[in-house]
Amino acid sequence: DIQMTQSPSTLSASVGDRVTITCRASQTISSSLAWYQQKPGKAPKLLIYLASTLDSGVPSRFSGSGSGTEFTLTISSLQPDDFATYYCQHYHTYSVTFGGGTKVEIK
Amino acid sequence: QVQLQESGPGLVKPSETLSLTCDVSGSSISSGYYWGWIRQPPGKGLEWIGSIYHSGSTFYSPSLRSRLTISVDTSKNQFSLNLRSVTAADTAVYYCARVILLGSLPDFFDIWGQGALVTVSS
Repeated sequence: DIQMTQSPSTLSASVGDRVTITCRASQTISSSLAWYQQKPGKAPKLLIYLASTLDSGVPSRFSGSGSGTEFTLTISSLQPDDFATYYCQHYHTYSVTFGGGTKVEIK
Repeated sequence: QVQLQESGPGLVKPSETLSLTCDVSGSSISSGYYWGWIRQPPGKGLEWIGSIYHSGSTFYSPSLRSRLTISVDTSKNQFSLNLRSVTAADTAVYYCARVILLGSLPDFFDIWGQGALVTVSS
């Protein structure tokens, strides 16, 4: 299986901050990467696929970049609704795997 | 809009079979998507379990394949999960989700059910 490693595992930030989360794959996955946002007690919500394509309705302050083995999710100006846990997921093979998650907390 | 809803027992005894069903509404399950199961142990991350097409074609997690069966009932517009010989390590919130295909393999999950907590305990 391809392993996905996210960093940091926890991030403390303030409203208005620019936030960057990194996801690394154990082998090249081209651009076969999705990002999700999950709030406590809720199902994950798709934010980005194909590494950089925003899903419908996702605010433009979210952006994704990268290819190969290193990817980033950036929130340009953190809003109160953005405090949540974020997961990356590869789909380069049929056996998809998720990163361990990055919790974005209020500083 | 498309909605998914998981249902099934919330408590399963060790060594027994965990069974869940996902009802799909707002879309035909035969509409060209895969349909998947993902789980999340309490306080932990997400783990893909498996995915199924309306034809019955399946992809299973290698770590769960020996205990897993996913099936589809197009007449009821639902798909199901059976996980045999469960232990406490199978305690998790189980999500069903619609799977997008950009190519020939199931890719990412765009619509999720609300999740169902299943506890394995005697």
